[in-house]
Amino acid sequence: DGGITQSPKYLFRKEGQNVTLSCEQNLNHDAMYWYRQDPGQGLRLIYYSQIVNDFQKGDIAEGYSVSREKKESFPLTVTSAQKNPTAFYLCASSILGTGTVALGNIQYFGAGTRLSVL
Amino acid sequence: KNEVEQSPQNLTAQEGEFITINCSYSVGISALHWLQQHPGGGIVSLFMLSSGKKKHGRLIATINIQEKHSSLHITASHPRDSAVYICAVRGSTLGRLYFGRGTQLTVWP
Repeated sequence: DGGITQSPKYLFRKEGQNVTLSCEQNLNHDAMYWYRQDPGQGLRLIYYSQIVNDFQKGDIAEGYSVSREKKESFPLTVTSAQKNPTAFYLCASSILGTGTVALGNIQYFGAGTRLSVL
Repeated sequence: KNEVEQSPQNLTAQEGEFITINCSYSVGISALHWLQQHPGGGIVSLFMLSSGKKKHGRLIATINIQEKHSSLHITASHPRDSAVYICAVRGSTLGRLYFGRGTQLTVWP
């Protein structure tokens, strides 16, 4: 079945450690996104990518890095520079629209990864 | 200030009741989304609309562009409707989404 797979479901990070969250999609979508969700807050955009080998910072990119070497994959690394990494991380993908509304079509979400600090 | 405001934050209902969740936004938009987040965290898209009204089963979504307001209605609510409902708007400039904080709905049998 087509969809988005995030792994792992739960992840623990030690002080000073980088961790990588996996996101894979087989929907043939061009656009992929990473969001962070904290209790009582709306989803916040970390990074997004509209095409392979290109990505853009979202609203809270500091302390995070991404790569887009393949259309299907958009891994997120939470670096040691991210001082408050405990959150629920969601990956999404969508087809691209055109013109000024290139993003923002219906997004398909993964099941999420819950990251905690040890 | 959040670009998207939802109300109420929490909503409790008895099975069979009619539910309304409201969403107001302050930016220019080209479309509005309603999403459902299940207790495990997974999110599914319920509606994307840019005008008028859409219906899917017991769910109805309406939008008033002039008033910058949308409502999600659930008729004959059921315990399986218990979830967080999230309103998101697609900005008219770049097209990226801005999300509300969500409404936690609990329907008791």
